[in-house]
Amino acid sequence: AQSVSQHNHHVILSEAASLELGCNYSYGGTVNLFWYVQYPGQHLQLLLKYFSGDPLVKGIKGFEAEFIKSKFSFNLRKPSVQWSDTAEYFCAVRREYGNKLVFGAGTILRVKS
Amino acid sequence: EAQVTQNPRYLITVTGKKLTVTCSQNMNHEYMSWYRQDPGLGLRQIYYSMNVEVTDKGDVPEGYKVSRKEKRNFPLILESPSPNQTSLYFCASSPLGLPEKLFFGSGTQLSVL
Repeated sequence: AQSVSQHNHHVILSEAASLELGCNYSYGGTVNLFWYVQYPGQHLQLLLKYFSGDPLVKGIKGFEAEFIKSKFSFNLRKPSVQWSDTAEYFCAVRREYGNKLVFGAGTILRVKS
Repeated sequence: EAQVTQNPRYLITVTGKKLTVTCSQNMNHEYMSWYRQDPGLGLRQIYYSMNVEVTDKGDVPEGYKVSRKEKRNFPLILESPSPNQTSLYFCASSPLGLPEKLFFGSGTQLSVL
């Protein structure tokens, strides 16, 4: 079965620090990859996605993620975080053309102002 | 406005008392799904539906029932709730085969005493 691992459950950063959240998946076939963000008290929103092509994808709010197929990884990055980035971040994967999204356990990011 | 509406937002109940959480979407989406979110475990899929009268188990279906009699509605039924079903529940919908367009509801926080 597919699984998604997010390496850190809690991350605390100061404003302007750089962010990298790790995500690894276990499925060996072609996959589509996603990062979602959940701000406090809100529902999940799509941050960015990778389907094919350039393995470096850019999303909203200055986030980007890099797909490294050989490492089964899809790490999320942001060069300089803001207090408003405080949220929980979920990596998700689905098999190509499938309907089912499998989510990681989530990483809670707290940005200190 | 496109939305997935869940009710209630908060629910406190006692063990064994049947309850229903409603979910309705106004986007004519074929695919609907229920997730539960627990700290450290991320989102886990309970049940999903690919169209009217078509439902299937997700990863954690035990203790839950669903129905899909109309395209817009996908209620989650707990026939005999237990404390281990205390969780945050999300309903989501998307066009079939397009999980990147998954639209989440605002969540239902359920506490079973």
